[in-house]
Amino acid sequence: GAGVSQSPRYKVAKRGQDVALRCDPISGHVSLFWYQQALGQGPEFLTYFQNEAQLDKSGLPSDRFFAERPEGSVSTLKIQRTQQEDSAVYLCASSFGTTNNEQFFGPGTRLTVL
Amino acid sequence: AQSVAQPEDQVNVAEGNPLTVKCTYSVSGNPYLFWYVQYPNRGLQFLLKYITGDNLVKGSYGFEAEFNKSQTSFHLKKPSALVSDSALYFCAVRDMRGSGYALNFGKGTSLLVTP
Repeated sequence: GAGVSQSPRYKVAKRGQDVALRCDPISGHVSLFWYQQALGQGPEFLTYFQNEAQLDKSGLPSDRFFAERPEGSVSTLKIQRTQQEDSAVYLCASSFGTTNNEQFFGPGTRLTVL
Repeated sequence: AQSVAQPEDQVNVAEGNPLTVKCTYSVSGNPYLFWYVQYPNRGLQFLLKYITGDNLVKGSYGFEAEFNKSQTSFHLKKPSALVSDSALYFCAVRDMRGSGYALNFGKGTSLLVTP
């Protein structure tokens, strides 16, 4: 079956531009996560949705970062006024339940801010 | 805070030999531990998890991990390495703060299996 998909796979933005990254989770998965992975590092948590509710946004690095999941399926991570330090791979993951189920990851979007 | 550490940046092993990728954890309470593998230009793939129960956990692709509470370790192992096992391996622990569902990852260990 289809896994988690993300688009675009690659995004180049000029500093100060706004970007929107899309995540299509596995159908029926209640939980959706966004992570940021800098070069040579492990993924770092950004935010978590349970259906359409954003239950945890403690990892968002600044108020330039905003995420939504309005219908409880597709999610969008938006970064306003991008900065060079925003350059990273943004990973989306989904899981079936809300407890200790494993998370299934998408291929990521590599964002480069010039 | 719940965290994991992977002390080795890279592990080299010859094909057919056993492999071990190390992970230690620091948590308050019972840990929920995971191993993921990342191939180039692909997302992380789940290998195995420890929630409770047997200390030896078996996972995908012949991998297993041993939970050791006294040593606060959760090392990943495989009896006989394959060249195709070469990839980046991440240990992770469930973060009980906030929603309690996020994962905290180690920095990763690059495994190179040579023919």
